[in-house]
Amino acid sequence: EVHLLESGGGLVQPGGSLRLSCAASGFTFSSYTMSWVRQAPGKGLEWVSSIGSSTYYADSVKGRFTISRDNSKNTLYLQMNSLRAEDTAVYYCAKRLWEVLNGIGPFDIWGQGTMVTVSS
Amino acid sequence: QSALTQPASVSGSPGQSITISCTGTSSDVGGYNYVSWYQQHPGKAPKLMIYDVRNRPSGVSNRFSGSKSGSTASLTISGLQAEDEGDYYCYSYTSSNTVVFGGGTKLTVL
Repeated sequence: EVHLLESGGGLVQPGGSLRLSCAASGFTFSSYTMSWVRQAPGKGLEWVSSIGSSTYYADSVKGRFTISRDNSKNTLYLQMNSLRAEDTAVYYCAKRLWEVLNGIGPFDIWGQGTMVTVSS
Repeated sequence: QSALTQPASVSGSPGQSITISCTGTSSDVGGYNYVSWYQQHPGKAPKLMIYDVRNRPSGVSNRFSGSKSGSTASLTISGLQAEDEGDYYCYSYTSSNTVVFGGGTKLTVL
């Protein structure tokens, strides 16, 4: 069964850093573009970043967040620096439907999410 | 990267059909056939319902259908059921080689 499990969320002060992880299982992780999508409390979905043969970032996180992957560990990461209150959200990792590394979506498998709260 | 425009809410009675619109620009919805729709129930992760405008993933009911005209995409749910209640988000690839979601639509089954 295909499964994604996020971890690493928590409470962090403004300006702080946090690294999220997403452990994947049940598919050939290295063959798929993987992404992070977030959802602020009571708000809609916002695409954050993706990694395949290239990396892609939303303007709102460019220069502050870094996406990476370790295919030997089947794990996706999101390093988040210079965190702001508006980064408070549930962060989901998501797998691309197609088994190709160019392009971003659509997303057919999602994790359960990990909550990040940026507050003093 | 402005969000695509969706109605905040729609409603319908069991058995009826409803349509949710998703309006973008020629740089996203209008320029590519890479529109998807996601269903989200409270406290749950989103679920892919439609991809590439009109295709259903395996396991998704054929009561769900998608279409597009110009820069507006639509999701139609026929034979509305109580379990269809939830939030629906459209999504599109963009000319900036990124993706963008709509603001979301809350579907209420009366």
